[in-house]
Amino acid sequence: DAKTTQPPSMDCAEGRAANLPCNHSTISGNEYVYWYRQIHSQGPQYIIHGLKNNETNEMASLIITEDRKSSTLILPHATLRDTAVYYCIVSDNNAGNMLTFGGGTRLMVKP
Amino acid sequence: ETGVTQSPTHLIKTRGQQVTLRCSSQSGHNTVSWYQQALGQGPQFIFQYYREEENGRGNFPPRFSGLQFPNYSSELNVNALELDDSALYLCASSSGTPGTAYEQYFGPGTRLTVT
Repeated sequence: DAKTTQPPSMDCAEGRAANLPCNHSTISGNEYVYWYRQIHSQGPQYIIHGLKNNETNEMASLIITEDRKSSTLILPHATLRDTAVYYCIVSDNNAGNMLTFGGGTRLMVKP
Repeated sequence: ETGVTQSPTHLIKTRGQQVTLRCSSQSGHNTVSWYQQALGQGPQFIFQYYREEENGRGNFPPRFSGLQFPNYSSELNVNALELDDSALYLCASSSGTPGTAYEQYFGPGTRLTVT
């Protein structure tokens, strides 16, 4: 079973920030939070990962709560090409850094 | 484009047959993972190879096996195909070492249909 809970779908207006929440209340101390997305009929694309500090890269920002039980992925200026399924994954880097994908959030960016 | 390539793109096999899928990792990557994605579901981890050795396996039967070659390309073999094996098979490469956090770069996948 996936260790994360995400809303099944969200809408966002083009140009606005998209905030995608993820609950991971059973996360353990050595587990990282990863975000990937999958655009229709393509392989998943890595976005960002973090342990406990907030992280930012050219694609997105990752905000992890202090208790690490939840996180939010922020796409600062969503475009139509950001329409995809977004997966929040926790992994402890052992057992082959196995990524356990759940259902994800289907983000629809609308004009 | 991630630099990870997979072949073939599409494949149709009959139940009971065997299939080999291939993956070329991004240059410099020594780790490859394989995932199975059934229609409408998220990818499921099959196994990972690090420097030609299996380094982790998901909940898949032994008829799913793999190889990683010295150039770090990889194969996924599935014997005795079943109808439920119909799925998109994804490989992902990375340059991380076991026990560390790292990103994985996915290929476009091979769509396998078993009839």
